[in-house]
Amino acid sequence: GDSVTQMEGPVTLSEEAFLTINCTYTATGYPSLFWYVQYPGEGLQLLLKATKADDKGSNKGFEATYRKETTSFHLEKGSVQVSDSAVYFCALNDYKLSFGAGTTVTVRA
Amino acid sequence: DAGITQSPRHKVTETGTPVTLRCHQTENHRYMYWYRQDPGHGLRLIHYSYGVKDTDKGEVSDGYSVSRSKTEDFLLTLESATSSQTSVYFCAISESGTSGTRTYNEQFFGPGTRLTVL
Repeated sequence: GDSVTQMEGPVTLSEEAFLTINCTYTATGYPSLFWYVQYPGEGLQLLLKATKADDKGSNKGFEATYRKETTSFHLEKGSVQVSDSAVYFCALNDYKLSFGAGTTVTVRA
Repeated sequence: DAGITQSPRHKVTETGTPVTLRCHQTENHRYMYWYRQDPGHGLRLIHYSYGVKDTDKGEVSDGYSVSRSKTEDFLLTLESATSSQTSVYFCAISESGTSGTRTYNEQFFGPGTRLTVL
């Protein structure tokens, strides 16, 4: 079945550091890919998405590129802020959403 | 923000008691979902609905039932709560979106219900 594997963390960074969260997937079809973010005490919010190979999703300084050849959708941000502290989930959607386990990111001032 | 509310937001109950969680939407979306979130597991789908009175099981449906009698409401019932059902429960809604020739399913999440079963 469809599945998502992401680096588990936790990840702790200093402000202005570079962030990468790895995500790889297994799917029998041709899924769309998503990154969701969950801030403390809140529900999940869509951060960005990509619906086909080589698409780049971007939002709030975060980027991820849909790589079909490596079945990956790694999340990157060039300069993180304290407000980026959250749990990040990679997900794929074929006929339903399948989530990775989540990566907790803490950014220190 | 998508109009999704969940009630109650917090609940503590005892093993063996029935519990019903409610999800209400004002977006008139066709699809509604119930997930549970547990450390190390991400979100796991319990049940989902693709229309009024149309529901199906997800990957962790044992011990749960759902009902959808109106487009805007999706109820999750634990018939006899167990300690293993202590979790945070999220409702989500979606409609299909289209990007070029691709159809995708973007979901919007409610604020969650924290359930503790003692």
